[in-house]
Amino acid sequence: DAGITQSPRHKVTETGTPVTLRCHQTENHRYMYWYRQDPGHGLRLIHYSYGVKDTDKGEVSDGYSVSRSKTEDFLLTLESATSSQTSVYFCATDPGLAVTDTQYFGPGTRLTVL
Amino acid sequence: TQLLEQSPQFLSIQEGENLTVYCNSSSVFSSLQWYRQEPGEGPVLLVTVVTGGEVKKLKRLTFQFGDARKDSSLHITAAQPGDTGLYLCAVTYNQGGKLIFGQGTELSVKP
Repeated sequence: DAGITQSPRHKVTETGTPVTLRCHQTENHRYMYWYRQDPGHGLRLIHYSYGVKDTDKGEVSDGYSVSRSKTEDFLLTLESATSSQTSVYFCATDPGLAVTDTQYFGPGTRLTVL
Repeated sequence: TQLLEQSPQFLSIQEGENLTVYCNSSSVFSSLQWYRQEPGEGPVLLVTVVTGGEVKKLKRLTFQFGDARKDSSLHITAAQPGDTGLYLCAVTYNQGGKLIFGQGTELSVKP
């Protein structure tokens, strides 16, 4: 298993507050991803990174920003949380060698916005 | 817009029964992966298929990739309670594309 940790694992916050989720990997994988998972929607890509300081938007990027200052860390920030951002957030990594690479997922962060 | 649909969304069966889960795309895809996710955990890769018509087996699980590269199926023989979980298909539509996930099939196998 790829060493991927997410913190915090659970968070309850109020509408309008900023929230930052952290993903840490020990595999030296080039690509890192943030997904959200909601019932009936599977996993939807928020943002991804293909290297230090190299990031791009995914399918559902509005209201989210990311940063990657080190290979091992990928941060997801909700600048002003809204109730529609209540979800389970997963970080994933892959080596970036081929389109068929396995993506390795972290354990998830359950975020509730009241 | 590419659409990726899984069916059924929910499946509840008894131990020992067989089942098939389907993944269908509105467009041809270049590769497809099946993941399994247990409650409270992240998805874990089961298999990757890249060739039209390809069949792969993983113990009691059989994965088929349609000839037209627009569909795939996962067949489980003699399901066990340990097979319970969310099964997700994910595709890439071109060599540089990102993974697109289906909405998942939630399987419950009762003893």
